[in-house]
This record gives sequence, structure tokens and C-alpha cells, in this order.
Amino acid sequence: GAGVSQSPSNKVTEKGKDVELRCDPISGHTALYWYRQRLGQGLEFLIYFQGNSAPDKSGLPSDRFSAERTGESVSTLTIQRTQQEDSAVYLCASSLARAVYEQYFGPGTRLTVT
Amino acid sequence: DAKTTQPPSMDCAEGRAANLPCNHSTISGNEYVYWYRQIHSQGPQYIIHGLKNNETNEMASLIITEDRKSSTLILPHATLRDTAVYYCIVRGYSGAGSYQLTFGKGTKLSVIP
Repeated sequence: GAGVSQSPSNKVTEKGKDVELRCDPISGHTALYWYRQRLGQGLEFLIYFQGNSAPDKSGLPSDRFSAERTGESVSTLTIQRTQQEDSAVYLCASSLARAVYEQYFGPGTRLTVT
Repeated sequence: DAKTTQPPSMDCAEGRAANLPCNHSTISGNEYVYWYRQIHSQGPQYIIHGLKNNETNEMASLIITEDRKSSTLILPHATLRDTAVYYCIVRGYSGAGSYQLTFGKGTKLSVIP
């Protein structure tokens, strides 16, 4: 079946511009996660959505970062006034509510801020 | 969550079984062992998990020792596409943010032609 998809796969933007990254989770997965991975580094948790519960935004690094999810479907991660340190691969994952450690990842969006 | 220890790297001949060990001596009774891998330039990929019984799926087998202090991930017939960093993590279902995945350094498996 279809896995997690993300778009765009690559995004190059100028410092100070806003960017929007999209994630389509696996159908039926109520939990959705955003992570960031800098080159050669581990996963950095950003935000977690679970059904209609309030999202856990504790990992968002600044107020320039925000994310939304409509119901149990698509999520968008928005970065305003991008900075060079925002350059990274942004990974989205989804899972069933009862299997939060079986997370299925998308291919990621490679963001480069010039 | 229990800490895990893995060798930093391993080689395996193509077509042979790859056996990746993980030590988790401080694992508690309600914690599961999970394995993920990350192929270069791709997102992490869930492989398998278990509590105390051995598990097998289409990707791999997981052998957990009786005392649960260590486990081995087995890729029965390694291919070049299995070259990746393999992560063993131990997670329970309690505590705030317990759903967040964090990986240690893992084992870099190189499958040799």
C-alpha cells in the first residue's frame, strides 16, 4: 500500500522567506510526527499529532515554526523567515495510535536556506 | 528508557546472514526492543520489535535472550540494499513524550559483494 509521502522532496529558499512542507500520512494512521535531521546527526523531534487531541509542540525550536493537521490526514509544517540553521532534512512519520513506536517515515524534504 | 549498546560497525558478505547484536542490560519488564534502520539519504525504516519472544517478519528475525538483557537482529540473506545504519532502541509506554524516537549511534552494516 501507499506509504508516507512528503513534498517537495527538495526545497532551496533564500534566507528570510517562508516555506511550507507537506506530509501525507498512511491512511488510517491517527498519529503523525515531524522530525528534523541535520547532516550526519540524529533525529530531532519537532511536533506530534494524535487524532483530535492537542498536538505536542514541545520540540518546535522557535515561534517561526508551526504545524497544522486537518483531522487525521495531511499535515503542513511552516517555517517563517527561514534562517540558514534551518537547513536540514525534515522527516514526517505516521503510526497507529496504539503503536507509537512503529513509525513509518516518509522520504523527507531536504531544505536548503541560502 | 533503558540504554542500548551496539557495535559501531560490521561487515557482512552478500547472501550471508547478518547478525546485529544489541545489549540492553537495564531493560525493564514493560519495555520493548525495537529495531530501525536508515539507508543513506533516506528516512528511518521500522524493521521489527519484540518483548520477550522471538519475532520474525518479512524483513528480519529478532532473537531476545531469556533474561532480555540482549537481542540480535538477523537479516537472513543480506543484500547490498541492506547496507545501512541499524538502530536498536528500547521503549516503554510511560512518561511524557515517550512516543518520540531518538536513536543512538547504531551499527553501520556494510554488505560486501
